[in-house]
Amino acid sequence: NAGVTQTPKFQVLKTGQSMTLQCAQDMNHEYMSWYRQDPGMGLRLIHYSVGAGITDQGEVPNGYNVSRSTTEDFPLRLLSAAPSQTSVYFCASGGPGPSYEQYFGPGTRLTVT
Amino acid sequence: AQKVTQAQTEISVVEKEDVTLDCVYETRDTTYYLFWYKQPPSGELVFLIRRNSFDEQNEISGRYSWNFQKSTSSFNFTITASQVVDSAVYFCALNDYKLSFGAGTTVTVRA
Repeated sequence: NAGVTQTPKFQVLKTGQSMTLQCAQDMNHEYMSWYRQDPGMGLRLIHYSVGAGITDQGEVPNGYNVSRSTTEDFPLRLLSAAPSQTSVYFCASGGPGPSYEQYFGPGTRLTVT
Repeated sequence: AQKVTQAQTEISVVEKEDVTLDCVYETRDTTYYLFWYKQPPSGELVFLIRRNSFDEQNEISGRYSWNFQKSTSSFNFTITASQVVDSAVYFCALNDYKLSFGAGTTVTVRA
């Protein structure tokens, strides 16, 4: 079991560029989510999905898009990167309800210049 | 509105001291789940414990213990006889169908 994998590990973008952060899990989890971690602010939920074809917004969705075409994959797209999106991004997966703990990927450190 | 408050930003102790991390949460739901996660300097997030809103039994696991009090909406975490390896950021989280994290408490244990 690889668990939750994220690519890339590090990325530098220029303002206005677009990119996709990849996330995959091999635990057959229905629930997947994306968080950003900024100093002093903990982890904030960007988008989440309760199953293939179903996504919803979290606390800070602006500037990000997601889709869930398979159970395994949940990519996060930045359409036009801004310096405010400089952060560490974590993908997580877990069981189908709120009682389940989340398994986190190793994170992607993104810098937007 | 912030749902999970960790008022302590940083705590620094000497090895073997006890450390208690405070967590206060806010929710209108009667069914919810509380979690503690640890983020060591390597950066990964590690699940420590889960509690549901109906289970106020406190738990001890090795050097870790948790105190859940529904009446005060608190879910505190204590490390007994701290060790250098306990140095990490600790996050309290609430799941009432959207997982909300507190800002985290950085614990530094000095030898």
